[in-house]
Amino acid sequence: EAQVTQNPRYLITVTGKKLTVTCSQNMNHEYMSWYRQDPGLGLRQIYYSMNVEVTDKGDVPEGYKVSRKEKRNFPLILESPSPNQTSLYFCASSHGQGAGGYTFGSGTRLTVV
Amino acid sequence: GIQVEQSPPDLILQEGANSTLRCNFSDSVNNLQWFHQNPWGQLINLFYIPSGTKQNGRLSATTVATERYSLLYISSSQTTDSGVYFCAAHRSGYSTLTFGKGTMLLVSP
Repeated sequence: EAQVTQNPRYLITVTGKKLTVTCSQNMNHEYMSWYRQDPGLGLRQIYYSMNVEVTDKGDVPEGYKVSRKEKRNFPLILESPSPNQTSLYFCASSHGQGAGGYTFGSGTRLTVV
Repeated sequence: GIQVEQSPPDLILQEGANSTLRCNFSDSVNNLQWFHQNPWGQLINLFYIPSGTKQNGRLSATTVATERYSLLYISSSQTTDSGVYFCAAHRSGYSTLTFGKGTMLLVSP
């Protein structure tokens, strides 16, 4: 089944403790991106990657890092999480920039206390 | 960037009723999608429809690209249709899929 897999689905952590949210797709998509969803602010792009070793900032990149060492994986790294990073996170992938549509993962609900 | 506006913001229906959700976008797009966010927060892709008409069961969608709008039709609504419906558009040359603010649908038994 074609899908984007995010892990974990739920995470509660403490301020300052580094964490990684994994994202993997099995569709051989070139393009991958991360979004966060917050009440009243909608979905906003954090980072995106056009292909292996090519990443760039989205609208809200502060406090996040990403890497794209393999085509299928695009992890989101929070080096020192803060409470304002409490949010619902989504990973998405597509061929090119949106060609054929974006496929989203099931989401990761992160709480930083 | 592109602007995406959805209407209505909220909708309450009795089970069995039909509804139409609208999405207006400010510029030409190469990607237009409709998503349903269920109560568990998952974004379910309903349609990839940059132009034309598609149908999937009780749901159908139409995009008129030249007039920059898309419509999502839900017929014979069920309680499981409840949730938030998002329209999202992507314009060639931009990196972001831009989402509208959504239509929150509540279908009561």
